[in-house]
Amino acid sequence: NAGVTQTPKFQVLKTGQSMTLQCAQDMNHNSMYWYRQDPGMGLRLIYYSASEGTTDKGEVPNGYNVSRLNKREFSLRLESAAPSQTSVYFCASRSADYQPQHFGDGTRLSIL
Amino acid sequence: QKEVEQNSGPLSVPEGAIASLNCTYSDRGSQSFFWYRQYSGKSPELIMFIYSNGDKEDGRFTAQLNKASQYVSLLIRDSQPSDSATYLCAVSLSGGSYIPTFGRGTSLIVHP
Repeated sequence: NAGVTQTPKFQVLKTGQSMTLQCAQDMNHNSMYWYRQDPGMGLRLIYYSASEGTTDKGEVPNGYNVSRLNKREFSLRLESAAPSQTSVYFCASRSADYQPQHFGDGTRLSIL
Repeated sequence: QKEVEQNSGPLSVPEGAIASLNCTYSDRGSQSFFWYRQYSGKSPELIMFIYSNGDKEDGRFTAQLNKASQYVSLLIRDSQPSDSATYLCAVSLSGGSYIPTFGRGTSLIVHP
């Protein structure tokens, strides 16, 4: 039972490079989320998708784009990476409002 | 601004004691309340969720919700060194898609 799967687990980029973080869930959840976690800052919402076909900005969307490819997959793209985007990125999903979120193992991203 | 506040700690308790973790929130319309445990370098793991005023028990864990006073707490009975982690409080605020907002977490250290 995989739950929420994130790839890659680690990545090092140079400033200006682009990359896509992948997230897939096998729980048939409607909503999916991307967070970043920085020391002392807690989890901050980047983007979310309340249902297949919809995406919305969260608290810190600048520098990111997302795609809800289908019900299972929700990707996060950095078009031109900046050192300020060095962080741990978590994908989460949940079945419906009021329900708890389930998190993937995270992607540790360093931008030099 | 809607906020979720936690004391960053660390909260240090001896093995076998009761650990009490607190969380306050600003939005009176909040509906759902979640506690996650996060070990260093790992992803958040759901411990409990609570929707109604009062206590909810699950094994050594008890969640307590007081909507009038706008706080939710987590009690850990018979604390073990393996409980040492950061505990995140999340609150689904009213409005929008009820997306959970996370506190910055409380670090708990259980010493033998």
